[in-house]
Amino acid sequence: DAGVTQSPTHLIKTRGQQVTLRCSPKSGHDTVSWYQQALGQGPQFIFQYYEEEERQRGNFPDRFSGHQFPNYSSELNVNALLLGDSALYLCASSFPGLALGTQYFGPGTRLTVL
Amino acid sequence: AQRVTQPEKLLSVFKGAPVELKCNYSYSGSPELFWYVQYSRQRLQLLLRHISRESIKGFTADLNKGETSFHLKKPFAQEEDSAMYYCALTGPGNFNKFYFGSGTKLNVKP
Repeated sequence: DAGVTQSPTHLIKTRGQQVTLRCSPKSGHDTVSWYQQALGQGPQFIFQYYEEEERQRGNFPDRFSGHQFPNYSSELNVNALLLGDSALYLCASSFPGLALGTQYFGPGTRLTVL
Repeated sequence: AQRVTQPEKLLSVFKGAPVELKCNYSYSGSPELFWYVQYSRQRLQLLLRHISRESIKGFTADLNKGETSFHLKKPFAQEEDSAMYYCALTGPGNFNKFYFGSGTKLNVKP
């Protein structure tokens, strides 16, 4: 099991563009959370998907949207990119039977907005 | 408003010295507190959770509700403890939403 995988590793976009980031959860996990980590900051919760529905959402604008597929993989979409969206985007997977707080993180996607 | 504060960006200690990484929080209600760790070239991972009252790799954390703190401690630091440490919380009704602090980089010198 490769654990949580994310793609792409890096990407560069310009202001106003749209981007899609992808996450495959660890085998057996059905819950995917997305985080934004700006340079020098801790991860900020964007949203969580479970059973193909958004279950929780952090304080992010509607430009940030997501999707979960039947195989539990997930996408994070960001529209109308701003310079401030430049960050490391982390995906974490879990399932309801895990102890609270146990989530497995991916390596992240580094997004640079020029 | 929910907030986690880690006042130290960098903490340097010598091997064998005690370590205390500070974490203060604000939350409307009774949160659950956690410490996550990220070793060099590795992924972020859970270190310990308050609810389990556990000691992991010699680390413990005490929840002080009066001071709203959850400091991470280890009596004798080891070089392999060098890493980035993040304090985090979640709470009733929002158990799937985690709030992280900005992190403290621990550097244990030989």
